[in-house]
Amino acid sequence: AQSVTQLDSQVPVFEEAPVELRCNYSSSVSVYLFWYVQYPNQGLQLLLKYLSGSTLVKGINGFEAEFNKSQTSFHLRKPSVHISDTAEYFCAVRDIDTGNQFYFGTGTSLTVIP
Amino acid sequence: NAGVTQTPKFRILKIGQSMTLQCTQDMNHNYMYWYRQDPGMGLKLIYYSVGAGITDKGEVPNGYNVSRSTTEDFPLRLELAAPSQTSVYFCASDRGWSGANVLTFGAGSRLTVL
Repeated sequence: AQSVTQLDSQVPVFEEAPVELRCNYSSSVSVYLFWYVQYPNQGLQLLLKYLSGSTLVKGINGFEAEFNKSQTSFHLRKPSVHISDTAEYFCAVRDIDTGNQFYFGTGTSLTVIP
Repeated sequence: NAGVTQTPKFRILKIGQSMTLQCTQDMNHNYMYWYRQDPGMGLKLIYYSVGAGITDKGEVPNGYNVSRSTTEDFPLRLELAAPSQTSVYFCASDRGWSGANVLTFGAGSRLTVL
């Protein structure tokens, strides 16, 4: 089974500064990778996904992530954050061979400081 | 298009009581899931279903039961509520076997057991 590690449980950042949220997964076999965002008191929404092709994927709200197979990482980045980006961010991995189950990280709480 | 609808949004139970969390999706998705979310723990899979009449255990099934009599509905039952079941519960769905599909989440149900 996969394990997904989000090393940073909390990330405070000033408004308009860049941010990187880190995600590493355990298995290097073929995987699909996702980032979800959860705003306060809401369900999870898809931010972006990597299925194949270009290792740099772009998502909603100016976020992007880069897939690095050799380092089994899928870090999320944004060049300039806004107050509205304050939320919980979850990295998720899905094995292609066992496509019925997602493996989620423990989440990173991003707080944007005015 | 309502997506995934969960009821109730909030509930307080006494120890030993039972209740059912309702989940309905109108996207004709084959796969449905129940997760629980605890602070700092990410999402843990309780049960999932790959179609009507088929259910299977996830990572943390103890204390819960599910059924899937129709494609649309996937209720989660707590028979004897315990304080350890205090959590936020999310129902999710996706189309099925292709790992490229993304999960669509409901807004969540916050359960407190006292």
